[in-house]
Amino acid sequence: GEDVEQSLFLSVREGDSSVINCTYTDSSSTYLYWYKQEPGAGLQLLTYIFSNMDMKQDQRLTVLLNKKDKHLSLRIADTQTGDSAIYFCAESLLYSGAGSYQLTFGKGTKLSVIP
Amino acid sequence: DSGVTQTPKHLITATGQRVTLRCSPRSGDLSVYWYQQSLDQGLQFLIQYYNGEERAKGNILERFSAQQFPDLHSELNLSSLELGDSALYFCASSVAWGDTQYFGPGTRLTVL
Repeated sequence: GEDVEQSLFLSVREGDSSVINCTYTDSSSTYLYWYKQEPGAGLQLLTYIFSNMDMKQDQRLTVLLNKKDKHLSLRIADTQTGDSAIYFCAESLLYSGAGSYQLTFGKGTKLSVIP
Repeated sequence: DSGVTQTPKHLITATGQRVTLRCSPRSGDLSVYWYQQSLDQGLQFLIQYYNGEERAKGNILERFSAQQFPDLHSELNLSSLELGDSALYFCASSVAWGDTQYFGPGTRLTVL
């Protein structure tokens, strides 16, 4: 079965870097995503990486993918209090029998930024 | 703002009742997905529609059903509601059926 795992909590000081880790089990994942959810809000797409890439950088965000270990990480540089939220890792998998790709989410990592 | 809209934002109802949640996808998107987010189960995929037709089913209960209309908006119908159905229900849309999904703000359902 497909399982995406993340640690539940991370606490960092404002200005430091945050690294949120994720492991997934299905090596046939095509895309891997990071979504952000602020309190009372929906899921905001932060970034994604195609499975044949090792790294993707987008301003303060860096995504690293280690396909051998099935490990994905999201690094947020110069973390700000506005980055406090829950971060979800998700893998896109071909849904058996449907010819469609679906997202399987981790349970989310709650990032707390200490001023 | 993702461009996906959902109504209502909040819904409070009683056990045994039936409710309808509505979703309008981003302009140009043909696929609509429904997800349920609860504290114990996390984010679970329920069902997907593509251009009016059901494309894939996830962990959707038989008491729940959905449809996508010719104007591409979608409705999720939840019937014979139970306390355990209290959750956040998200709709997402994508251009086709394998593309990046953009999420709406969600509908918070409380069943008393």
